Amino acid sequence: SQQGEEDPQALSIQEGENATMNCSYKTSINNLQWYRQNSGRGLVHLILIRSNEREKHSGRLRVTLDTSKKSSSLLITASRAADTASYFCATDAKETSGSRLTFGEGTQLTVNP
Amino acid sequence: GAVVSQHPSWVICKSGTSVKIECRSLDFQATTMFWYRQFPKQSLMLMATSNEGSKATYEQGVEKDKFLINHASLTLSTLTVTSAHPEDSSFYICSAMGPHSGNTIYFGEGSWLTVV
Repeated sequence: SQQGEEDPQALSIQEGENATMNCSYKTSINNLQWYRQNSGRGLVHLILIRSNEREKHSGRLRVTLDTSKKSSSLLITASRAADTASYFCATDAKETSGSRLTFGEGTQLTVNP
Repeated sequence: GAVVSQHPSWVICKSGTSVKIECRSLDFQATTMFWYRQFPKQSLMLMATSNEGSKATYEQGVEKDKFLINHASLTLSTLTVTSAHPEDSSFYICSAMGPHSGNTIYFGEGSWLTVV
């Protein structure tokens, strides 16, 4: 079963604005990852944050992790129309072995030019 | 980055027939491959985990006799949907990782299956 919940389910913004997506999970994790999926395509790995990390940056992406609240956020700064996609968080739970990822429900981001 | 290739990208088959989807890691040895299923506008649901040379581990509720997974080599895993029905129509995605993939899991481009 999916343990991740993401909000908002859908987000529509203008180019240049920042987009923030949130993810909550239920179990203890080894790490949390964010993926991007263009419509009808495979997933592209964006960033991985380990359970002992609180914040990580990669280009225009900023990810935070709060293990006490079991939540993470993905911030995309200065958004572009090309950022339009679905974004999923995925957790690698401590209780499971072999890097089995559990995906959240995803946020559909639309960046209007 | 590493590349995982899926084939076919899309396939249409008749009810009752079987269809095979291939997942290949092109530039690293994939000791573990995962198969996911995704319905439109929904999240990915893990179907099974396959380790090279051993039987796949299926998630609860996934019929192993219907979704046959073979991981015979370090670069290839196959998913065979047997006796397909229209409700099996979905987007199937594989992912792969290995000792040299840097703890990163790489996803294929997915395969659209339509059963008519």
